[in-house]
Amino acid sequence: AQKVTQAQTEISVVEKEDVTLDCVYETRDTTYYLFWYKQPPSGELVFLIRRNSFDEQNEISGRYSWNFQKSTSSFNFTITASQVVDSAVYFCALKVDAGGTSYGKLTFGQGTILTVHP
Amino acid sequence: EAQVTQNPRYLITVTGKKLTVTCSQNMNHEYMSWYRQDPGLGLRQIYYSMNVEVTDKGDVPEGYKVSRKEKRNFPLILESPSPNQTSLYFCASSRLGGFTQYFGPGTRLLVL
Repeated sequence: AQKVTQAQTEISVVEKEDVTLDCVYETRDTTYYLFWYKQPPSGELVFLIRRNSFDEQNEISGRYSWNFQKSTSSFNFTITASQVVDSAVYFCALKVDAGGTSYGKLTFGQGTILTVHP
Repeated sequence: EAQVTQNPRYLITVTGKKLTVTCSQNMNHEYMSWYRQDPGLGLRQIYYSMNVEVTDKGDVPEGYKVSRKEKRNFPLILESPSPNQTSLYFCASSRLGGFTQYFGPGTRLLVL
């Protein structure tokens, strides 16, 4: 069975601070995919990034960066120079490339509530 | 515009009154799924479908039904809603395999 843990329930920062959201996953499958989604106060789920298990390259997109480390089963997300608009709930999710029950299921972490104060 | 739509967005109902939440996607995706989001639990899968007439249970299927008669539509049916089904519901779709799932805007359901 798969599991995703986001140990940080809530994080509060002041604008322009850097913040890292932690994500630790568990799976026995060798092929899997990791995702981050953002849920702003309006409630929709916005896709941020997808990583394959065989691609450990870190990625940067503007103020966002992701650090994928298979050795520690972690896929952490850093926001540099945070802004008030970054305030949201952030979810890390895992999908395995296997058949069987719940094919294609995304296993989500509990989510981290990020509040950025002006 | 590629999108997943859900209706209604908000619904208040009473225990036992059957309801249907519709989901439609215009991306020709084979895979569709329903999740519910509850505080502290993240999102959990209710049902999924790999194609027309192919559906299966997710982690929390009790009290729900689905159907997939057309590729674009995947309605969620609550035959006899109960208060513990009060939640935020999301429909999602993707191509088969490890592709990204795209989510609808969500439906907030309150069962009194």
